[in-house]
Order: sequence, then C-alpha cells, then structure tokens
Amino acid sequence: DTGVSQDPRHKITKRGQNVTFRCDPISEHNRLYWYRQTLGQGPEFLTYFQNEAQLEKSRLLSDRFSAERPKGSFSTLEIQRTEQGDSAMYLCASERLAGAGEQFFGPGTRLTVL
Amino acid sequence: QKEVEQDPGPLSVPEGAIVSLNCTYSNSAFQYFMWYRQYSRKGPELLMYTYSSGNKEDGRFTAQVDKSSKYISLFIRDSQPSDSATYLCATPGSSASKIIFGSGTRLSIRP
Repeated sequence: DTGVSQDPRHKITKRGQNVTFRCDPISEHNRLYWYRQTLGQGPEFLTYFQNEAQLEKSRLLSDRFSAERPKGSFSTLEIQRTEQGDSAMYLCASERLAGAGEQFFGPGTRLTVL
Repeated sequence: QKEVEQDPGPLSVPEGAIVSLNCTYSNSAFQYFMWYRQYSRKGPELLMYTYSSGNKEDGRFTAQVDKSSKYISLFIRDSQPSDSATYLCATPGSSASKIIFGSGTRLSIRP
C-alpha cells in the first residue's frame, strides 16, 4: 500500500500526559498537512510543511502542540500536557507540489484524553 | 459566519434515489471547490474537483457550482448502499495550501 499511513490509529491517554503521532506521506510528496477533526465537524487545518520547512501554522495550534518533519519525509505531531479538549481525530495529508492540488489523507489517529 | 456551511443531516434515502447535497460559501473570491467522501473511521477521499461555475460529471456523480448564489451541490444518481458515508464540501479558499471544509453531511442509503 503506497497511501498515507499514520501511527498509532488509536491513542488513549490521561490528562496531562504527552503524546506523539507519526505520519508517513506518499513517497515524493513535497507537502504534508496536519488537520484535526472533532465529532460532527469537518477537518480543521493545523499546520503544513513543504519539504522540511513548516510554512504555516493555524492559531488552533497552541504552544502545547509541535510538529516536525526533520528530513522532509515522515512527520510527527506532539501534544504536551494533553487536555480533554484535545480529544479528536488527527489527520495527516500529503500532496505533490506540482500536482493538481489534491491532498491525499491518511486514516487518522483517534486521540481520547481521559 | 463560517466560510463554508453545510447541512449536517443526517440524510436517509432509499437505494436508487437521486441524492442532492448542498453547501454555501461566504467569499465570492473562492474559485475552486471539492467534494470529499469520508467513510466511518477513515480519512476523507477526494470525489470531485471543480473550478468556477458550471457542472462537472463523473459517473453517477455531478458537482455543480453557482457563483451568483455562492452555492455548491453534489448530485448522486442511482444511489447505492456503498454510497453511505459523510460527504464534505471544501475549498482552498484564498490559500494555495490549506483546505477549508464544511461540517459534512452524513448520508445513509437504505437497501
């Protein structure tokens, strides 16, 4: 399978703990996006990378959130000191820069903060 | 006001019916519009991509944009139970990167 993969698929944690999610984009896709989706809502943009560079961050991305894409391939999203309001599906998408603007989404990581 | 508004449903129709899903958007400068389908516990997948006004057809699916009323629609003909999913309208808006999504309409096709 050459689609976008995310790990883990599910994460249950206690309030105050740190969590880290990983996204592996489609090979050779320059852009990588993180979105958050809560129940009954559409995905909301968090941040995106073009190669290694983080080019845009949403105001939704508080200082407890940090994302990296160190070698321009996989990316990690870390949430420090989790809160119950962080419970959501975290979606990763990738896009080929010279492509038709289509973002391919992974299956998501469902986070539950108790 | 949200940039893209969508009736959350749920919408339930019998198999074989024509389904109409609709969204409105707030900014007349938006030109590109997409429809994504999202099955339960999966990520969204792109169904249709349209530019400006008019219709675009792909098999049983037709996407329509009416810029004068800032209204976008997705029609599904001969609906099948496998079409049961959440449908999200979306637009890049004024951005060259991020996508703005509607809240999604949950569709159920009854056999």
